[in-house]
Amino acid sequence: SAVISQKPSRDICQRGTSLTIQCQVDSQVTMMFWYRQQPGQSLTLIATANQGSEATYESGFVIDKFPISRPNLTFSTLTVSNMSPEDSSIYLCSVIGGIAKNIQYFGAGTRLSVL
Amino acid sequence: DAKTTQPPSMDCAEGRAANLPCNHSTISGNEYVYWYRQIHSQGPQYIIHGLKNNETNEMASLIITEDRKSSTLILPHATLRDTAVYYCIATGFQKLVFGTGTRLLVSP
Repeated sequence: SAVISQKPSRDICQRGTSLTIQCQVDSQVTMMFWYRQQPGQSLTLIATANQGSEATYESGFVIDKFPISRPNLTFSTLTVSNMSPEDSSIYLCSVIGGIAKNIQYFGAGTRLSVL
Repeated sequence: DAKTTQPPSMDCAEGRAANLPCNHSTISGNEYVYWYRQIHSQGPQYIIHGLKNNETNEMASLIITEDRKSSTLILPHATLRDTAVYYCIATGFQKLVFGTGTRLLVSP
């Protein structure tokens, strides 16, 4: 399986600021995704990160709030902009690709607290 | 993605088999059944997936009914480390839609 590294693993931020989360994979992958898991809830897909083009956002998520970049086949970033306490969540990166083309693997997540 | 229904919680004694059911009565022909688990807010861990045949790997077995409307994940000898939330997902695309899952508690 792909090895996925997310940075930072956790952060505490002030409201109104922005945080960029990085996702690095040890091999080229075809697809990368970003999920959010609010406290006590299940995972919700934010967007699909597309290489070299704008991400594809799910209903309820917009680019101005969650800008995403994917400059190549092994790296993506998610920015949480103008944060409020409601953005306190775990943000997870996931990938599909490599040998196991039908299996999605997840990073350990970034635990974000907004004060 | 087809909607899935799982019991909210289950208990299992250590060393016994854990059988986790999932209903996916609206599953379409090209949709697979995937199982993931999440241990204490870590990233979800892939367990197994299948289309219509039963599948087995080093972690678990997946039994899919002939009409594909339900499936069962079997952990043959549950350990305390198997305590987690288990998610059953039916999907024909790469996107995974997570439901609320089954919280499995394995006790000594």
